[in-house]
Amino acid sequence: GAGVSQSPSNKVTEKGKDVELRCDPISGHTALYWYRQSLGQGLEFLIYFQGNSAPDKSGLPSDRFSAERTGGSVSTLTIQRTQQEDSAVYLCASRSDTNTDTQYFGPGTRLTVL
Amino acid sequence: GNSVTQMEGPVTLSEEAFLTINCTYTATGYPSLFWYVQYPGEGLQLLLKATKADDKGSNKGFEATYRKETTSFHLEKGSVQVSDSAVYFCALSGPGNQFYFGTGTSLTVIP
Repeated sequence: GAGVSQSPSNKVTEKGKDVELRCDPISGHTALYWYRQSLGQGLEFLIYFQGNSAPDKSGLPSDRFSAERTGGSVSTLTIQRTQQEDSAVYLCASRSDTNTDTQYFGPGTRLTVL
Repeated sequence: GNSVTQMEGPVTLSEEAFLTINCTYTATGYPSLFWYVQYPGEGLQLLLKATKADDKGSNKGFEATYRKETTSFHLEKGSVQVSDSAVYFCALSGPGNQFYFGTGTSLTVIP
């Protein structure tokens, strides 16, 4: 596609349930990032995929959070046993190898945990 | 470590006013610096960037100069428009291709 897409755009869930958030990066982009944007906070780095290398998971806040990237393209962020403090906008960005400075962001998924 | 501190908002200006949004950074090495903009209902998009000291990034009438001596990258525009209403994020790229973002500054321009 022309840009990074994310689905769903909004997700409301109950505390304790698992959720999956999807990101489709720009075709050919080898790098993919997940961020969390909480109210009044900046973008919090979660995880970074680069090609076939092991992902940089250093930003994941707990072991309830995990992500995978299948076939070097689509990525899924999974949050298990959601808590109210997980409510935020989850942003995905991709980056090419030829323009390593610039990330292209998706519109985000707004997660609300009741 | 690496971090970005930017001016807290919200900022409200009248159309054609001068805009400054302050951004300072802490970094190891020589990072690239960025301003991203998030228009209502949209994703973040790159507004401008500068990759080395004294570089000036510019786009859509916005400018920012990479000041190593003051570790700053302040965003300026001489005459804002209603369409500039958005949230602005200062960011830097650190080692390992990680990016560090500020908390964002909300700008509202009123006619």
